[in-house]
Amino acid sequence: KQEVTQIPAALSVPEGENLVLNCSFTDSAIYNLQWFRQDPGKGLTSLLLIQSSQREQTSGRLNASLDKSSGRSTLYIAASQPGDSATYLCAVREAGNQFYFGTGTSLTVIP
Amino acid sequence: GAVVSQHPSRVICKSGTSVKIECRSLDFQATTMFWYRQFPKKSLMLMATSNEGSKATYEQGVEKDKFLINHASLTLSTLTVTSAHPEDSSFYICSAYGTVYGYTFGSGTRLTVV
Repeated sequence: KQEVTQIPAALSVPEGENLVLNCSFTDSAIYNLQWFRQDPGKGLTSLLLIQSSQREQTSGRLNASLDKSSGRSTLYIAASQPGDSATYLCAVREAGNQFYFGTGTSLTVIP
Repeated sequence: GAVVSQHPSRVICKSGTSVKIECRSLDFQATTMFWYRQFPKKSLMLMATSNEGSKATYEQGVEKDKFLINHASLTLSTLTVTSAHPEDSSFYICSAYGTVYGYTFGSGTRLTVV
């Protein structure tokens, strides 16, 4: 069964700093990988989707990479802002419809 | 883009009562809907998958008689927590799949059973 791990579990950085969130998964036979943002008590907002054939995706200050063979993905956030404070979840999707979610990284950006 | 509306966003109920949570795809038809449960500081766990007009498929360990799922139309799925107990308190999130927009998640429902 697919297992998804995110490190670190929590991260606190000063505003303006660049940061990297890590995601690892145990089974490399994935269809795609997606990074989500979750604000407290809220649902999920999709940030970036990387297909299994892709190496990275970029959106604004966010860049996500995927190394499927090693079972790793990173989310890079440039010039962090207090509004980036949230929990970030990565999820892998296999050939079926099921997502396997990581436990999340809780990010706090200090003004 | 696609929007999935989940209602209610918060609900408090007494132990032993039943609670219904609705998940609606507002501007697309969802052939498949998914229900997830999230415990505090834990990840989302898939509870069940429902296809319109057919019975839901439950994940191992999820009681189908306790968590009733109905997917009566291509835009609506409901999750009913029957005879709720405090241990059912959790955050429930639905997701809807459409052929155009892919997967869209609802905003979640915080259930507290007292």
